[in-house]
Amino acid sequence: GAGVSQSPRYKVAKRGQDVALRCDPISGHVSLFWYQQALGQGPEFLTYFQNEAQLDKSGLPSDRFFAERPEGSVSTLKIQRTQQEDSAVYLCASSLHLGARQPQHFGDGTRLSIL
Amino acid sequence: GQNIDQPTEMTATEGAIVQINCTYQTSGFNGLFWYQQHAGEAPTFLSYNVLDGLEEKGRFSSFLSRSKGYSYLLLKELQMKDSASYLCALYSGAGSYQLTFGKGTKLSVIP
Repeated sequence: GAGVSQSPRYKVAKRGQDVALRCDPISGHVSLFWYQQALGQGPEFLTYFQNEAQLDKSGLPSDRFFAERPEGSVSTLKIQRTQQEDSAVYLCASSLHLGARQPQHFGDGTRLSIL
Repeated sequence: GQNIDQPTEMTATEGAIVQINCTYQTSGFNGLFWYQQHAGEAPTFLSYNVLDGLEEKGRFSSFLSRSKGYSYLLLKELQMKDSASYLCALYSGAGSYQLTFGKGTKLSVIP
C-alpha cells in the first residue's frame, strides 16, 4: 500500500483480556517501530525491528507486551492481561533503513480503550 | 538520557508567521526531526536537521544549533489547516534508532 496501515483503528477490551494490534508497513521498508502515545503526549518508543529481527525492546513497559514480525513484513503487537493503564494510541512506523536521514512514516494508529 | 522541551500551546493568525521552539539535552545526538500531527491522525514527517543551520521546504523551515541544544520550526503564510500539534523528536543513533519525542506544541490558527 501507499502508507503504513494499522488495524483495528479502534479496540475496546475488558481488563484482563488479551489484544492483538496489526501493522502493515510500507512495502520494502526494512525497519519497523512501535510507539505508544498517551493523550496530550508525544509518542513513546516501545520496540523496533530490522526485517524479522527485534533489535530493541527496551521500551516495552512490562512482560505483558510482546511484538513479532515473523516474515519481516507485517508486525503484531500483543498485550496480554490488559490493564486500564494500557489505554493509549499505539502507533506503528516504518522506514526504508535505519539512520539519521531516514524519516519514519507513521500509521494512523490503533486507539485502545481498556474498560 | 534525553530531555526535550516545547511550548504546550501557541496561537497565531492566518497569514502570519509562527516559530515553534524546541530545546533539548541529550547525551547523544545524530539528528532532529519535526512532525505534524492532526488530532486522531498519524504524525506526518515535515523536516529533519543533522547539521547546524536552516533547512527550507516550502512554507516550512527548520533550524538547528547543536551547540545550544536548540531547534525551531518556522511556518510561513499560515493556513487554517496548519492547526495541529507539532512534535520535535531526537534521533540518537549509535545503536539507538528510535525517535525520542517532545510532548508536542498544539498550534491553533485563527482567522
